[in-house]
Amino acid sequence: GAGVSQTPSNKVTEKGKYVELRCDPISGHTALYWYRQSLGQGPEFLIYFQGTGAADDSGLPNDRFFAVRPEGSVSTLKIQRTERGDSAVYLCASSLGPPTGNQETQYFGPGTRLLVL
Amino acid sequence: AQKITQTQPGMFVQEKEAVTLDCTYDTSDQSYGLFWYKQPSSGEMIFLIYQGSYDEQNATEGRYSLNFQKARKSANLVISASQLGDSAMYFCAMRDPQGGSEKLVFGKGTKLTVNP
Repeated sequence: GAGVSQTPSNKVTEKGKYVELRCDPISGHTALYWYRQSLGQGPEFLIYFQGTGAADDSGLPNDRFFAVRPEGSVSTLKIQRTERGDSAVYLCASSLGPPTGNQETQYFGPGTRLLVL
Repeated sequence: AQKITQTQPGMFVQEKEAVTLDCTYDTSDQSYGLFWYKQPSSGEMIFLIYQGSYDEQNATEGRYSLNFQKARKSANLVISASQLGDSAMYFCAMRDPQGGSEKLVFGKGTKLTVNP
């Protein structure tokens, strides 16, 4: 079946602009995660949804970052007043959830490469 | 405190040889999950193998096996019969159970190069 998809694959924006990044999880996966990966680093957690609700948003760096998942499927990560330091690859993952044994395996999308000029 | 430690920034292996990528972790929880992902230059994170903390057997998936030593808090990935296509970054990750979160915490990764 189809894997996790993310759009756009690349986004170039100017400092101060607003951007939206979209994630479409694997069908039937109730858990959805956003991570951010800077060059040369492992992914860092941003936010976790179980269904429509954000179960853990402790990784969001500040209030410029916000994410929604209104119908429990597609999610949008929103970044306001972008800064050059926001440049990174934004990865989305989904899992069957709630995590029990192999159900907790997270499957990742291809990522969105964000560049803030 | 760092949760996942991968001490090998880079590793080299000859094609058809086996290679071990090291991973140690830190947690006070009894229930946790350990994962290995492969990230080729294309950027996508590819799930390789999972080990639950209560699993008695070491996990295996084809040419991948996980050498799980719970007392030492290590979860090393063993790749047998290396292939050129195995050249990539490899990340060890742990489901961070503290605080009830289901997030994954990743190490810094190991870059594996398979030589012909």
